[in-house]
Amino acid sequence: DIQMTQSPSSLSASVGDRITITCRASQSISTYFSWYQQKRGRAPKLLIYGATRLQNGVPSRFSGSGSGTDFTLTISGLQPEDVATYYCQQTYTGPQTFGQGTKVEI
Amino acid sequence: QVQLVQSGAEVKKPGASVTVSCQASGYRFISYYMHWVRQAPGQGLEWLGVINPSDGSTTYAQGLQGRVTMTTDTSTSTVYMELSSLRSEDTAVYYCAREWDLFSTNDFWGQGTLVAVSS
Repeated sequence: DIQMTQSPSSLSASVGDRITITCRASQSISTYFSWYQQKRGRAPKLLIYGATRLQNGVPSRFSGSGSGTDFTLTISGLQPEDVATYYCQQTYTGPQTFGQGTKVEI
Repeated sequence: QVQLVQSGAEVKKPGASVTVSCQASGYRFISYYMHWVRQAPGQGLEWLGVINPSDGSTTYAQGLQGRVTMTTDTSTSTVYMELSSLRSEDTAVYYCAREWDLFSTNDFWGQGTLVAVSS
């Protein structure tokens, strides 16, 4: 199975900050890669798919980059409603696998 | 609009079985694969398997082979996930999630169903 390694596991930032979360795949996954946001007690919500494509309705302060094995989620101008855990996911081959999550606090 | 509505919370004893349902609406049911993902308390997301509603074909996570069964009822646009021989480690919130054919991402998720296994 493809392993997904996220970093950091948690971070604390201020409102308005630019934050970056990274995810590394154990082998190349092209751009079969997504980011999800999960707020406490809620289901995951798709933010980014195809590594860089913003899902409909997701604020433009969220952006994704990368291909192959290294990927990044950036929030430009952190807002209070962005407090959540963020997960990366690969859907390239084998069972889909997730990163361990990054908890974002303000 | 697309909606995935799951059945309610369950409490089961070790060794029992549980079935969680996920009723889809707002789209052509047989056109999209459906995945099941679970999340143990305070933990990350674990993929359980996927079903193709058009023909019922399935692929399961290797660690659950023999204990998980996914089925579909096209007349009610519902998928089911049965987990047998329950153990305390199966305590988790179980989600269904639609697979979008663009990069095979999961674009819509059910609200989640808590399954608690306790003696």
